[in-house]
Amino acid sequence: DIQMTQSPSSLSASVGDRVTITCRASQTISDSLNWYQHKPGQAPNLLIFAASNMEGRVPSRFSGSGYGTDFTLTISSLQPEDFATYYCQQGYSVPPTFGQGTKVEIK
Amino acid sequence: EVQVVESGGGLVQPGGSLRLSCVVSGFTYDDYALHWVRHSPGKGLEWVSGISWNSDYIGHADSVKGRFTTSRDNAKNSLYLQLTSLTSEDTALYYCAVVSGVDGLEGAFDYWGQGTLVTVSS
Repeated sequence: DIQMTQSPSSLSASVGDRVTITCRASQTISDSLNWYQHKPGQAPNLLIFAASNMEGRVPSRFSGSGYGTDFTLTISSLQPEDFATYYCQQGYSVPPTFGQGTKVEIK
Repeated sequence: EVQVVESGGGLVQPGGSLRLSCVVSGFTYDDYALHWVRHSPGKGLEWVSGISWNSDYIGHADSVKGRFTTSRDNAKNSLYLQLTSLTSEDTALYYCAVVSGVDGLEGAFDYWGQGTLVTVSS
């Protein structure tokens, strides 16, 4: 199985801050990396697919990059509605595996 | 508009069984894989199982292999998860998730339901 390692596991940030979350795969996965936002009481929401492609209604402050084993999710200017847990997930092979999550909290 | 609705969760004793269902609507064709992903208290997201559009490919996580069975009925736009030999480790919110436009199981989970809660406790 491909192991996905996210960092940091949590962070505190203020509205307007630039936030970067990294995800590393235990083996190369091409660009088959997806990012999700998960808020308590809600279903996870796909933000970025295939490493850098934004899902339809995702705000442009979210962006993704990377290829192979190292990937990044960036929020250019953190908004109040962005406080949530973010997960990466590899869609390269079965079983699909998730990172452990990064909880973004209000400073 | 795609909608995903799970049902069937509840309280069950250790060693017991349960059957979860998921109904998907809003797709014109059946070319989508269906998966179960669970979220346990204090833990992250964990893939449980997946099934391809024509049921040719079915996979289960090692943690549930031999205890859980996944099936789908395209005529009813439905996905099922039969859970047996349940333990407290299976307590979680179980989400149904869709990977659209694929032949196999791999891809991004485009659509998710709100989840159905399974609690295993005596």
